[in-house]
Amino acid sequence: DQQVKQNSPSLSVQEGRISILNCDYTNSMFDYFLWYKKYPAEGPTFLISISSIKDKNEDGRFTVFLNKSAKHLSLHIVPSQPGDSAVYFCAASVRDGANSKLTFGKGITLSVRP
Amino acid sequence: GAVVSQHPSWVICKSGTSVKIECRSLDFQATTMFWYRQFPKQSLMLMATSNEGSKATYEQGVEKDKFLINHASLTLSTLTVTSAHPEDSSFYICSARDGGPPNQPQHFGDGTRLSIL
Repeated sequence: DQQVKQNSPSLSVQEGRISILNCDYTNSMFDYFLWYKKYPAEGPTFLISISSIKDKNEDGRFTVFLNKSAKHLSLHIVPSQPGDSAVYFCAASVRDGANSKLTFGKGITLSVRP
Repeated sequence: GAVVSQHPSWVICKSGTSVKIECRSLDFQATTMFWYRQFPKQSLMLMATSNEGSKATYEQGVEKDKFLINHASLTLSTLTVTSAHPEDSSFYICSARDGGPPNQPQHFGDGTRLSIL
């Protein structure tokens, strides 16, 4: 059973426009959510996170929104740049100490067109 | 930022060979390291959680005798795929969490592409 779902496998956006990447989860115990970016042949790079006590977290061009009632989060990238083209993974965890595990979605491939 | 180094990045070997993959945290102490496996177009699947100085905790369905994990120090964990077969071919990635400040994200190595002939 997929507890973290990224239902759209890909997204194509024009440079300078907004990219919106969506993620849904089913486990109501999740209280910490992260977005990672991954280039081919590299490991994921941490982008931004949000705790369940917040509904928004912003870091430069990246903003993550959390809607707990809908069990939905989204990553907004604005303005999008060609260098943002990568696979983006949504991940969730229950923060219960150092061993808290991440559950990943399947990823979304973002292509930003020049 | 936190840096995790994983070595080797690519391994091609014959069936029956044992392969060791190293994961190092370069600028922080990692009390906990994680090992993942990723199949093409799939998400990262957690294989095991490794704590320094103790036995690893394996996820359901992962053979602990097949995938040996040693977390000998606060900066090094190793994964050994024993007697590897073609079905073990995959992309293996480690991650580490800084054991100092609370609520730190996991930081990932660049992965190891394992191909068993």
